[in-house]
Amino acid sequence: DIQMTQSPSSLSASVGDRVTITCRASQSISSYLNWYQQKPGKAPKLLIYAASSLQSGVPSRFSGSGSGTDFTLTISSLQPEDFASYYCQQSFSTPMYTFGQGTKLEIK
Amino acid sequence: EVQLEESGGGLVQPGGSLRLSCAASGFILTTYWMSWVRQAPGRGLEWVANIKHDGSETFYLDSVKGRFTISRDNAKDSLYLQMNNLRAEDTAVYYCARDWWSLHWSFDLWGRGTLVTVSS
Repeated sequence: DIQMTQSPSSLSASVGDRVTITCRASQSISSYLNWYQQKPGKAPKLLIYAASSLQSGVPSRFSGSGSGTDFTLTISSLQPEDFASYYCQQSFSTPMYTFGQGTKLEIK
Repeated sequence: EVQLEESGGGLVQPGGSLRLSCAASGFILTTYWMSWVRQAPGRGLEWVANIKHDGSETFYLDSVKGRFTISRDNAKDSLYLQMNNLRAEDTAVYYCARDWWSLHWSFDLWGRGTLVTVSS
């Protein structure tokens, strides 16, 4: 099974900060990596697919990069509505998938 | 409006059964693979099962294999998850999600989820 490890598990930042979250796969997954945002009590929302493609309607301050085993999600300038949890998910082993454990982004 | 809506969650004793439903609207269900994804209280997301658009293939997380069955009725725009022999560790919010292909697979549409609590 492919394991996905995110770091950090939690992060405190301020509005306007640039933030980077990392996701590492236990084996190469090419560019088959997606990122989701989840707010408390809500369903996850797709932000980035195929490592670097921005989902329709998602603000351009979100970006993704990486390939192989190492990936990053970057928020260029944090907005108040960005404080949430973020999850990476691999689709290399389709049709069976695994998620990272999540990163909780909190207000400093 | 394009949406998914789950129902059928509740409190069940260990060893019991529950059937979850997911109603799709605003899109043609028959053209999509569909998945169930769960989230235990305070924990991360875990893919549980998925089903091909015509129901001919199904796949499961190892820990639910033999206990859970995913199915669909495209004529009723509905997805189901039959859960048998439930365990405390199955306690979670269960989401139905649409498998979406663009460059590769992701989940582009999610329901609000339904809570399953397994406890005596």
